[in-house]
Amino acid sequence: QVQLVQSGAEVKKPGASVKVSCKPSGYTFTDYYLQWVRQDPGQGLEWMGWINPKSGGTNYAQKFQGRVTMTRDTSISTVYLELSRLISDDTAVYYCARDVEDGMDVWGQGTTVTVSS
Amino acid sequence: DIQMTQSPSSLSASVGDRVTITCRASQGISNYLAWYQQKPGKVPKLLIYAASTLQSGVPSRFSGSGSGTDYTLTISSLQPEDVATYYCQKYNGAPYSFGRGTKLEIK
Repeated sequence: QVQLVQSGAEVKKPGASVKVSCKPSGYTFTDYYLQWVRQDPGQGLEWMGWINPKSGGTNYAQKFQGRVTMTRDTSISTVYLELSRLISDDTAVYYCARDVEDGMDVWGQGTTVTVSS
Repeated sequence: DIQMTQSPSSLSASVGDRVTITCRASQGISNYLAWYQQKPGKVPKLLIYAASTLQSGVPSRFSGSGSGTDYTLTISSLQPEDVATYYCQKYNGAPYSFGRGTKLEIK
């Protein structure tokens, strides 16, 4: 079955960077875009951007421009979200999700990132 | 950017009630609208896409409607397992903004 498996929880200090991985399985890696969504504690969903695993093309939400980088490694069928210059407000659960051009039908389990000094 | 305004922000209803949640876009989005359900502590789940198409496996008591800027998610007969927060999302181009969510509880 289709699954997206994300890397484990991270604790980072302010100013550091974090890199979260998302490994799809159960379908051809390059067939679908992957979206990244974050959820602050007790809050709603926030779209961060997408990556095209085939071309490596990306589109980032304006809020994260300059701090976010989405990449992929086709040799191991994995995509990555890197967020730099972390602040406490970046404490959140980060999700990857498969974009089937009509919504996001499969989501990763989420990765909790805690930013604390 | 197109803003998505969802209402109400919270809702309490009785089992068996008909429940309606509204999502309004600041510009027309041509039915590129999805609804998600997120139960407490769980991952979001796609319920409806293209404004009115039920995702496979979703109970038929859920339905979506609307066009242009105004969209609605309806639960025809509320069940206890429907307690969740519901989000709309536009996907007619970046940014793929979400509504702020509607928290649904049982009265």
